[in-house]
Amino acid sequence: DAKTTQPPSMDCAEGRAANLPCNHSTISGNEYVYWYRQIHSQGPQYIIHGLKNNETNEMASLIITEDRKSSTLILPHATLRDTAVYYCIVIGSGGGADGLTFGKGTHLIIQP
Amino acid sequence: EPEVTQTPSHQVTQMGQEVILRCVPISNHLYFYWYRQILGQKVEFLVSFYNNEISEKSEIFDDQFSVERPDGSNFTLKIRSTKLEDSAMYFCASRTGLAGGNIQYFGAGTRLSVL
Repeated sequence: DAKTTQPPSMDCAEGRAANLPCNHSTISGNEYVYWYRQIHSQGPQYIIHGLKNNETNEMASLIITEDRKSSTLILPHATLRDTAVYYCIVIGSGGGADGLTFGKGTHLIIQP
Repeated sequence: EPEVTQTPSHQVTQMGQEVILRCVPISNHLYFYWYRQILGQKVEFLVSFYNNEISEKSEIFDDQFSVERPDGSNFTLKIRSTKLEDSAMYFCASRTGLAGGNIQYFGAGTRLSVL
């Protein structure tokens, strides 16, 4: 699975959009970009994933560059409850019970 | 909304003792996982389980560890002889079949403290 690089921490004001970048320059054609988050010491929570098209769900939007070497997770109206560590994970679409490889992620702090 | 449940929430044990951590995955899920997170460190994959057998395991998952699905609902992680360095949060996760992508649903975790 391709390696990802994320900033260690970011701040965002409550009510503003939080934009979390991720670099995955060695991503291959059949690998997806997944985003999870971990609030304090809770279990990680799935947010969104995509292959090459931009994706949106009730939690967030995912923007993937045309060359697929980077992506941005957007939380459109951040709240204090969005303070968490956000993980960008690249994983293949092949069959098998692939375990997730978590990096250090980005610690997003939402400021009141 | 269905969720993965883990028991107990906190387990305290003496070094050298056996512990069993329990998980009830989401009912129609087919893939099951265990992860651990040592305090202040990354979440680490331990093992995946599908069709009643281990599919993949990490280097951490040595002979001290075993997993079992003893009935249709529970999924357990056993540590045979605990060491101080086994102290960590242990997370269970599950997901549907391949069509659902690799969307894993995690439990709240069991905090294991080895004294």
